[in-house]
Amino acid sequence: DQQVKQNSPSLSVQEGRISILNCDYTNSMFDYFLWYKKYPAEGPTFLISISSIKDKNEDGRFTVFLNKSAKHLSLHIVPSQPGDSAVYFCAASRRYTGRRALTFGSGTRLQVQP
Amino acid sequence: DAGVIQSPRHEVTEMGQEVTLRCKPISGHDYLFWYRQTMMRGLELLIYFNNNVPIDDSGMPEDRFSAKMPNASFSTLKIQPSEPRDSAVYFCASSPKERGDSGNTIYFGEGSWLTVV
Repeated sequence: DQQVKQNSPSLSVQEGRISILNCDYTNSMFDYFLWYKKYPAEGPTFLISISSIKDKNEDGRFTVFLNKSAKHLSLHIVPSQPGDSAVYFCAASRRYTGRRALTFGSGTRLQVQP
Repeated sequence: DAGVIQSPRHEVTEMGQEVTLRCKPISGHDYLFWYRQTMMRGLELLIYFNNNVPIDDSGMPEDRFSAKMPNASFSTLKIQPSEPRDSAVYFCASSPKERGDSGNTIYFGEGSWLTVV
């Protein structure tokens, strides 16, 4: 029973274009969402997050959008750079109800072509 | 500042042997998590601790797995006996007690790559 789903295992985009990574969740109790980035042979690192009271959060080239009614979030990277090539994990938590552990999706491998 | 430190980075062991993975969380963090990454299941939570006390171990696959946190700066994940299907990358992560709107970001170690043959 996957509560957080990333249905696209991979995505390839050209340098300078927009990358859009998608994530769906099923548990309506989730109230905080995060994106992590993972390079080979390294641990995941935090990228950006959004609370369920917002619908958009922006940090430089990275923007996360949340559509609560659709239980969908997306990560936009503009412009994409070759260094962005990595696996991106979507994660969700029940932060405001005290459960600190994150539930992760299966990841999307992004390849940015020079 | 040192991040989450895990050891060993790589372990190859024979089926039936005991495996112990170790973790030192970031100093001052109240939460410690053990995750496992496999191709089939992605990143799945095994167990997490708050102030050295196990809070949720529902992700521990079976009795062969056990985790301890004897103090705030050390945790172990033990598999006894190990099986080939336990081959995976095991990540330890830690998180501070959140303040304000900082969110519940968790910080991962580099992982322990386990191969059971």
